[in-house]
Amino acid sequence: QSVLTQPPSVSGAPGQGVTISCTGSDSNIGAGYDVHWYQHLPGTAPKLLIYGNNNRPSGVPDRFSGSKSGDSASLAITGLQAEDEADYYCQSYDRRLSQVFGGGTKLTVL
Amino acid sequence: QVRLQQWGAGLLKPSETLSLTCAVYGWSFSGYKWSWIRQTPGKGLEWIGEINHSGTTNYNPSLKSRITISLDTSKNQFSLKLSSATAADTAMYYCASGEYNWNDVWFDPWGQGTLVTVS
Repeated sequence: QSVLTQPPSVSGAPGQGVTISCTGSDSNIGAGYDVHWYQHLPGTAPKLLIYGNNNRPSGVPDRFSGSKSGDSASLAITGLQAEDEADYYCQSYDRRLSQVFGGGTKLTVL
Repeated sequence: QVRLQQWGAGLLKPSETLSLTCAVYGWSFSGYKWSWIRQTPGKGLEWIGEINHSGTTNYNPSLKSRITISLDTSKNQFSLKLSSATAADTAMYYCASGEYNWNDVWFDPWGQGTLVTVS
């Protein structure tokens, strides 16, 4: 059971948008700590998508965006493309456990 | 551009010590937290621990009694040792560079991963 809760799966058709939620508690996201997001393609290393709740590293398309409110955060992906099909993880700091990840969400592009 | 390359034994017997090393190219150790993260089969990511440029470590409480993370600044490498391995430690292990702002740490880039099987 992960400290940060994500839906196991989401799906969307090419061109559509999806949102992936990440719910924490008052010992992590709700305590004001930032949320970061990673994309993990099979057989590759995870890739940073969003850091500091809503910042994109250089090279990440603006189709990816992040937000945070209260003890939850969200990753939004617009204009879905086939290559977006991957696992997505949120990550934050927890006062008791240090760095923690969500359980991951599998995105299927229909 | 920081690049990480990792290596280590991929097959262990139960009770042996897992040992992995990560070389850092294109950057010095200062200003980052150097971390180890693993992904167990069919499960998500688990943070193992970190070390900073001065050798200060911070470990996952659930693994703390079995973990040692160390630094070799002369070789620009950092290492993970996990003692008394069991089948539950079978996982893909990644090293990662952690940029940080106080306790907020984000990982970029990551090493290529090392599959470790305990059997």
